[in-house]
Amino acid sequence: DGGITQSPKYLFRKEGQNVTLSCEQNLNHDAMYWYRQDPGQGLRLIYYSQIVNDFQKGDIAEGYSVSREKKESFPLTVTSAQKNPTAFYLCASSIRDTNTDTQYFGPGTRLTVL
Amino acid sequence: EDQVTQSPEALRLQEGESSSLNCSYTVSGLRGLFWYRQDPGKGPEFLFTLYSAGEEKEKERLKATLTKKESFLHITAPKPEDSATYLCAVQGNNDMRFGAGTRLTVKP
Repeated sequence: DGGITQSPKYLFRKEGQNVTLSCEQNLNHDAMYWYRQDPGQGLRLIYYSQIVNDFQKGDIAEGYSVSREKKESFPLTVTSAQKNPTAFYLCASSIRDTNTDTQYFGPGTRLTVL
Repeated sequence: EDQVTQSPEALRLQEGESSSLNCSYTVSGLRGLFWYRQDPGKGPEFLFTLYSAGEEKEKERLKATLTKKESFLHITAPKPEDSATYLCAVQGNNDMRFGAGTRLTVKP
């Protein structure tokens, strides 16, 4: 089955620790994205990558880092510099259809800072 | 700046009671408007893409329509399993913007 997987489903972090969230896709999509979802707010873009070995900052990149060494994988590291990391994190990938990029989402990772 | 506003924030319906969810947007150069369904604790599930004003798409009890300023998601004779948060997003020349969603509850 083709799809997007994220792991772990739940993650607990102590203050001052870096943690890495995994995102893998087997849809052969070129572009991948990381979003953060907080209650009452729309999804906010953290980072995106349109091609291997290249990525761009989104609206809220401070305190986060990414890598794109393989087409299938786009891990997100939440660093200790992120002041309020507790949130639901969503990974997506997209395929271009005419002039639009339809995004498909993974199941999400809920990060809680203790 | 591109913006997406969804209303109402929450909607409670009785089973079989049809209604509509609204997505108002301002965007430079609309390339697509997207509707997603999101169940609690899960990732959004893609429903529809609308490309231009006047376009309509249907899937089971859902029908999405698009004008130059807004989109409606019409739900006909909803069932309890339609309960979810419905997200709207627009892609313009710059990027993708998401609304905060409408939380729909359908009571049996």
